[in-house]
Amino acid sequence: NAGVMQNPRHLVRRRGQEARLRCSPMKGHSHVYWYRQLPEEGLKFMVYLQKENIIDESGMPKERFSAEFPKEGPSILRIQQVVRGDSAAYFCASSFPGAKNIQYFGAGTRLSVL
Amino acid sequence: KQEVTQIPAALSVPEGENLVLNCSFTDSAIYNLQWFRQDPGKGLTSLLLIQSSQREQTSGRLNASLDKSSGRSTLYIAASQPGDSATYLCAVGNEKLTFGTGTRLTIIP
Repeated sequence: NAGVMQNPRHLVRRRGQEARLRCSPMKGHSHVYWYRQLPEEGLKFMVYLQKENIIDESGMPKERFSAEFPKEGPSILRIQQVVRGDSAAYFCASSFPGAKNIQYFGAGTRLSVL
Repeated sequence: KQEVTQIPAALSVPEGENLVLNCSFTDSAIYNLQWFRQDPGKGLTSLLLIQSSQREQTSGRLNASLDKSSGRSTLYIAASQPGDSATYLCAVGNEKLTFGTGTRLTIIP
């Protein structure tokens, strides 16, 4: 049973480009969470999704950021018109439906904006 | 708003020593508290989870305690080894975890 898979592991974008980060949850997990870790800061919650639904997006910046978790395929975190301040490690976690408190984390995607 | 603090930010100890990492949180109405380990360039590994009704959890050389009334948790590592070197994070919450900034632990061989 593979763990939470995130790709790419490293992503370089120039200012103004779009970044798309992918997360495949563990088999059987229908809950996905995205967190952001800025340099020298702790992880900050961004968004919590279930299949085809956004449950809590209270941590998402109001503009340029969006997330989805379609019925089929991975969860996508999309950042439009990236700026240097978006440079960070983005972590995805997933959990079983009945045990929402146990989140399993992926290795993260490190986004660098030039 | 929940805030989680971890002190110290960095800690170095000789191999074989026992050590304690500290975590404090401002809102005692927590659901769970988890301790994670983060290795450079890698994801997070869950070490121990303490539910709000519990006071401690143990796994091997690790023991985590929870005191909700004082808003504190400790992670005790016995007989430390160089392989324990990592950043240790505590987090509170259920679906929406609030993390501390971590303690960077270095075990000196």
